[in-house]
Amino acid sequence: QKEVEQDPGPLSVPEGAIVSLNCTYSNSAFQYFMWYRQYSRKGPELLMYTYSSGNKEDGRFTAQVDKSSKYISLFIRDSQPSDSATYLCAMSGGRGRQLTFGSGTQLTVLP
Amino acid sequence: GAVVSQHPSWVICKSGTSVKIECRSLDFQATTMFWYRQFPKQSLMLMATSNEGSKATYEQGVEKDKFLINHASLTLSTLTVTSAHPEDSSFYICSASGRSYNEQFFGPGTRLTVL
Repeated sequence: QKEVEQDPGPLSVPEGAIVSLNCTYSNSAFQYFMWYRQYSRKGPELLMYTYSSGNKEDGRFTAQVDKSSKYISLFIRDSQPSDSATYLCAMSGGRGRQLTFGSGTQLTVLP
Repeated sequence: GAVVSQHPSWVICKSGTSVKIECRSLDFQATTMFWYRQFPKQSLMLMATSNEGSKATYEQGVEKDKFLINHASLTLSTLTVTSAHPEDSSFYICSASGRSYNEQFFGPGTRLTVL
């Protein structure tokens, strides 16, 4: 079993839809949780960063962490075609330590 | 967020030659830098972790003599692919974290093609 599980998709939604992306993990030592967006042939771009459990909102993006369930989510409201990319969840057990990535979910937002 | 650059963005070389890729943190001091490779439609695979002024720590299965990593300053790390072969063709990405950050910030990646 992988330490971090993420549905690879592909996920296709109409423009304006709410998108829900999720990851589960098994290592209870993880404390830092991140979501990255990666466009084709580009490096990952940090979208959201959360420490421990709770919610964080930034514009159209909301990240949720439930450490008791070992489950994290990223919600995208009013999705746009420009949101079409691969979304990677990542987590680590400490500051500056290596990240463990999910496999990535490929999202397409149709105009 | 912090900015990380990579150079070159794309390189083609002949089999048997060596290629150096640079990773720079532009607006912060990167105490730790990471090197990844990524194959098409796959997630990132960590190759090594380097702390400024120390030897890099390589992941299992990564040949340290083939992938030389130097992190000589708080803003620069280099990855040298020695005696490159076609199977080394891949997308190489660096990331960096610093004293002021818990997150890692990624560079734009370098596409290496070995003929």
